[in-house]
Amino acid sequence: DAGVTQSPTHLIKTRGQQVTLRCSPKSGHDTVSWYQQALGQGPQFIFQYYEEEERQRGNFPDRFSGHQFPNYSSELNVNALLLGDSALYLCASSLWFRGSSYNSPLHFGNGTRLTVT
Amino acid sequence: DQQVKQNSPSLSVQEGRISILNCDYTNSMFDYFLWYKKYPAEGPTFLISISSIKDKNEDGRFTVFLNKSAKHLSLHIVPSQPGDSAVYFCAASGESALIFGKGTTLSVSS
Repeated sequence: DAGVTQSPTHLIKTRGQQVTLRCSPKSGHDTVSWYQQALGQGPQFIFQYYEEEERQRGNFPDRFSGHQFPNYSSELNVNALLLGDSALYLCASSLWFRGSSYNSPLHFGNGTRLTVT
Repeated sequence: DQQVKQNSPSLSVQEGRISILNCDYTNSMFDYFLWYKKYPAEGPTFLISISSIKDKNEDGRFTVFLNKSAKHLSLHIVPSQPGDSAVYFCAASGESALIFGKGTTLSVSS
């Protein structure tokens, strides 16, 4: 049973550049959420995708955008990178049920470590 | 504005004893609570959850207690094992995405 997979595992970018992170959900899951985890902090919600639409968004600027594909995989794009974007980016998948996935435990990937210099 | 607070950054326990990790929340709309465990270089792993209609949920060595009036939940691990050493995150949701606390690092010594 394939779990959540993320790529790449590590990435180094320069301030001002753009980055794309990728995620394949756990087999059978249809909803993907993205979280940012800064050092010493808990994961912070960026946004959630279901049926290729952004369903909810956390307190992140428009520089953060995403996409979900028909096979449920997802991408997170960050434009105009800032030093403060350096963090672990976690993708999580879950099941959509009765209009939400909020009472469905999230299954996380191992994350992508992004360093902005 | 932290809606989920884990006020103890770290906890050290001896093998075989009880570990108690605490979590407080401020949003009365939260109705689903979870605990996740995270090892270095891995993503968080779901451990146990509790709905607001219950005050206790048990799964093997892990028990979560919910006190809605105090907006407090706790995770009990009995007996603690060295392999339990990890960062534990409390998370909560209502009609919104999961909100996580900052985590508590548990160290279990043999």
